[in-house]
Amino acid sequence: QQQVKQSPQSLIVQKGGIPIINCAYENTAFDYFPWYQQFPGKGPALLIAIRPDVSEKKEGRFTISFNKSAKQFSLHIMDSQPGDSATYFCAASEYGNKLVFGAGTILRVKS
Amino acid sequence: DTGVSQDPRHKITKRGQNVTFRCDPISEHNRLYWYRQTLGQGPEFLTYFQNEAQLEKSRLLSDRFSAERPKGSFSTLEIQRTEQGDSAMYLCASSSPGLAGGWTGELFFGEGSRLTVL
Repeated sequence: QQQVKQSPQSLIVQKGGIPIINCAYENTAFDYFPWYQQFPGKGPALLIAIRPDVSEKKEGRFTISFNKSAKQFSLHIMDSQPGDSATYFCAASEYGNKLVFGAGTILRVKS
Repeated sequence: DTGVSQDPRHKITKRGQNVTFRCDPISEHNRLYWYRQTLGQGPEFLTYFQNEAQLEKSRLLSDRFSAERPKGSFSTLEIQRTEQGDSAMYLCASSSPGLAGGWTGELFFGEGSRLTVL
């Protein structure tokens, strides 16, 4: 049972483009929505996170948009760079419990 | 400040053998998690500890799997009678309570232990 559905599976953009990765969830008890970035051979690392009391959060070139009524959230990467090429995972958790991850999006930024 | 460390980083074993992975969390992190990640998939939750207490186990964790955190510091994950389907990256993560005592939500992952079962 996939609790967090992520799309697309892969994405190729040109340098400077704005890749957008989307996630949808069903469990309305989820109250924490992070995005993790993973490079080959490394563990995932927290990129940015949001709680459902806000609709948008920006940290540097990364923005999360959150739509509580639609049960969807997305990651936008502004002015993408080749160094942003990685696998991105959305995740969600309920009341401080375990994180449930999406299947991941492989992003390639072409220079 | 060292991060989460896992050992070994790679393990190749034959089907039917037992393997054990070790995780050393960030010091003072009271929660420790084990996840499994297969190629092209997100991490799947296996189990987690708060201090030495194992608070939750996934249905993915068959009776061949056992995890311990005896003194509330490092943890071990043992897989008995390995099967080819156990081949995966086993990720350990730790987290700490926030300033107000609640959980911050952020997991700090190690680089994983890759298991290949022949």
